[in-house]
Amino acid sequence: QVQLVQSGAEVKKPGASVKVSCKASGYTFSDYYIHWLRQAPGQGLEWMGWINPNSGGTDYAQKFQGRVTLTWDTSTATADMDLSSLRSDDTAVYFCARDFPYCPSLSCYPGANGMDVWGQGTTVTVSS
Amino acid sequence: DIQMTQSPSSVSASVGDRVTITCRASQGISSWLAWYQETPGKAPKLLIYSASTLQSGVPSRFSGGGSGTEFTLSISSLQPEDFATYYCQQTSNYPFTFGPGTKVDVK
Repeated sequence: QVQLVQSGAEVKKPGASVKVSCKASGYTFSDYYIHWLRQAPGQGLEWMGWINPNSGGTDYAQKFQGRVTLTWDTSTATADMDLSSLRSDDTAVYFCARDFPYCPSLSCYPGANGMDVWGQGTTVTVSS
Repeated sequence: DIQMTQSPSSVSASVGDRVTITCRASQGISSWLAWYQETPGKAPKLLIYSASTLQSGVPSRFSGGGSGTEFTLSISSLQPEDFATYYCQQTSNYPFTFGPGTKVDVK
């Protein structure tokens, strides 16, 4: 079945970087964008950006520009999220999610229909 | 960024009740709205997209409506597995933004 499986929990010190991996299975990895989101303790969901595993194209929320890097490896069907210069308020559960595009014709609009498959989440704790 | 609000922030209900949640956008988003259900320790689940289209496999007791700036999610007859937190998300403009959530708990 279609699933996204994320890497395990991380504990990092302020100023460090963290990499979270997301391995896809059950579908053609390069056919769907992958989104990254996070949820701080007791808070709502926050969209961070997406990557197109076909072209390598990315789009990041302005809030994370310069601190987040999304990469992919088609050979392993894995998408990675690197977040640098960690602060205590980066403590959150990080999710990858498969895009559910709106495709009315030959063109598709990523994200227009939301995200239909989610990873299980990875807890990142930033603490000195 | 488009701001999303939800009301109520929480609602207490019983099995069999009808529950309606409202989501408002700070500017018009046509029908570019999705609804998710989240239960503790699990990832969000897509329920509805394009404001009113039920995702495959989602029970028909869930329905969505609205357009522009005001939207609703209704559960016609609450089931035990529906006690959860519900989020709306605008998919019109980047960055995609979510409402703060509505928790449906047991009365």
